[in-house]
Amino acid sequence: EPEVTQTPSHQVTQMGQEVILRCVPISNHLYFYWYRQILGQKVEFLVSFYNNEISEKSEIFDDQFSVERPDGSNFTLKIRSTKLEDSAMYFCASSPHYEQYFGPGTRLTVT
Amino acid sequence: AQTVTQSQPEMSVQEAETVTLSCTYDTSESDYYLFWYKQPPSRQMILVIRQEAYKQQNATENRFSVNFQKAAKSFSLKISDSQLGDAAMYFCAYRSAGKGGKLVFGAGTILRVKS
Repeated sequence: EPEVTQTPSHQVTQMGQEVILRCVPISNHLYFYWYRQILGQKVEFLVSFYNNEISEKSEIFDDQFSVERPDGSNFTLKIRSTKLEDSAMYFCASSPHYEQYFGPGTRLTVT
Repeated sequence: AQTVTQSQPEMSVQEAETVTLSCTYDTSESDYYLFWYKQPPSRQMILVIRQEAYKQQNATENRFSVNFQKAAKSFSLKISDSQLGDAAMYFCAYRSAGKGGKLVFGAGTILRVKS
């Protein structure tokens, strides 16, 4: 059964550094999403992406965040200058229509 | 904006017994989707069950079923014959019916299964 994959599984970075989180959505899906979950808290929407452009973004998704679909398979989330409060689990999801299927997540630790 | 409320931070159930997790939501929309996701200790988000708001029939997936009360804006999850592997955090989520809609999650309910 096709799955969403994410790399790396765990990323440790220093405050102020740039990180790129990578996702490979399920191949025939059209909608892509990034969510984050700070430890012990609810899952929060960051951004949705359709037809090679952002369709919706949350207040969290400020200028330090960007997304890209550089080729036909990858979907990336870039954080330009990481802050301590960016430490969280980042989930990628993809959807053929209304159901969203999540990847295993990338645990980002900012020190 | 839509909100999702899970009023039970934690629930316990004996193995083989039945447990119901509660979820309410607030929306002014008439067409939408509701979901339950399971998050085990691995933190993977696993889709358990889905419900389309326009369907009156409650969704069922094996041991998992929902009680969808549209007028009351309630969407509870019933787990029958609970198993140790059901122990996890369960999130209720709402999605508008439009294209590419985001999921709005509740705060989650931790389910513990006792042997």
